[in-house]
Amino acid sequence: DQQVKQNSPSLSVQEGRISILNCDYTNSMFDYFLWYKKYPAEGPTFLISISSIKDKNEDGRFTVFLNKSAKHLSLHIVPSQPGDSAVYFCAAAVWGSQGNLIFGKGTKLSVKP
Amino acid sequence: EAGVAQSPRYKIIEKRQSVAFWCNPISGHATLYWYQQILGQGPKLLIQFQNNGVVDDSQLPKDRFSAERLKGVDSTLKIQPAKLEDSAVYLCASSLMARGGRTDTQYFGPGTRLTVL
Repeated sequence: DQQVKQNSPSLSVQEGRISILNCDYTNSMFDYFLWYKKYPAEGPTFLISISSIKDKNEDGRFTVFLNKSAKHLSLHIVPSQPGDSAVYFCAAAVWGSQGNLIFGKGTKLSVKP
Repeated sequence: EAGVAQSPRYKIIEKRQSVAFWCNPISGHATLYWYQQILGQGPKLLIQFQNNGVVDDSQLPKDRFSAERLKGVDSTLKIQPAKLEDSAVYLCASSLMARGGRTDTQYFGPGTRLTVL
């Protein structure tokens, strides 16, 4: 049973436009959410996070939105750059879980020049 | 600052053989994680250490997988005997500390790609 779902395996966006990556979760106990970025042959790299007490967190070109009632979060990248082309993983954790992250399957983003 | 180091980067073995992976976390990081990432899936936690103690190994197939972190620094993950379904990338991650109620950022190594034939 998948607790964190990324239903779009891939996304293609033009350089300079907005990229929106979506993530849904089923476990209402999740209260901390993260996005990781992964290039081929490298490990995932932490990008941005949000706790359940917020509905938005921004860091430069990256913004994560959390809709708790819909159990949905999204990552917005504005403007998108070719270097953003990578696989993006959504992950979630339960308060007090001691760092046990549950990952989605990932979405491969391609930003075309 | 040096990142998480893992070796080897690639390993090909035949089923029923044994294999070991090594991880050296970021200096000063008390918490170390081993993840398994099967092709097309997200990473799945196998085991988590806090210093040299096991915090969570609920998803570790203990009949064939073992892991240790004897001195609270580097760690080894072993599979014996390997099965075809163990083919995956094995990722090691570390964080400063995983405290109750808080999740420190986890930093990942490049992983070891295991192919079992």
